[in-house]
Amino acid sequence: QKEVEQNSGPLSVPEGAIASLNCTYSDRVSQSFFWYRQYSGKSPELIMSIYSNGDKEDGRFTAQLNKASQYVSLLIRDSQPSDSATYLCAVSDAGNNRKLIWGLGTSLAVNP
Amino acid sequence: DVKVTQSSRYLVKRTGEKVFLECVQDMDHENMFWYRQDPGLGLRLIYFSYDVKMKEKGDIPEGYSVSREKKERFSLILESASTNQTSMYLCASSSGGSRYEQYFGPGTRLTVT
Repeated sequence: QKEVEQNSGPLSVPEGAIASLNCTYSDRVSQSFFWYRQYSGKSPELIMSIYSNGDKEDGRFTAQLNKASQYVSLLIRDSQPSDSATYLCAVSDAGNNRKLIWGLGTSLAVNP
Repeated sequence: DVKVTQSSRYLVKRTGEKVFLECVQDMDHENMFWYRQDPGLGLRLIYFSYDVKMKEKGDIPEGYSVSREKKERFSLILESASTNQTSMYLCASSSGGSRYEQYFGPGTRLTVT
């Protein structure tokens, strides 16, 4: 069974701190990795994609991928109350790359 | 920007009714997906389509069918709605190629009474 695991949280950080979200996956040959943000009652929104080992930065967001250890992480610098949401990790299904395998999400609360 | 639209934000139907949910994308994407999302269960794939008239079952296809007659449009059909199909239904699309990031519509909150 292919799995993507995330700590459900809630993860609580003070405003201005770094929030660190982690995700592990079971399928060693997965190729594509994504982070989505989902506000309560809304649909998921793609915020980061990463395809090769290392770091990828976009504004306050950094995605980190380590294929050997099968984990992907998301760092949010200078966290803001507006970052409070559930963050979903998704990994491409190596058996059919069109499909994504989803984690259950980590709830993040940024406290003013 | 990719735009995915869904026919309704909120829908209330009675048990046994046939329900149609429609999704339209404007980016000429090959792949389209229907998910449902329930608390504690996450996103579960119902069906997806990788071309016009082509479809594949996802993880939970029972009680659902789909139709893709045009590239931009993907419909989800509940043949006979039941209360356990009360859920948030999300449509997504992705392009072909090697990236496969998915873009979501706003979702339809369906309540079956």
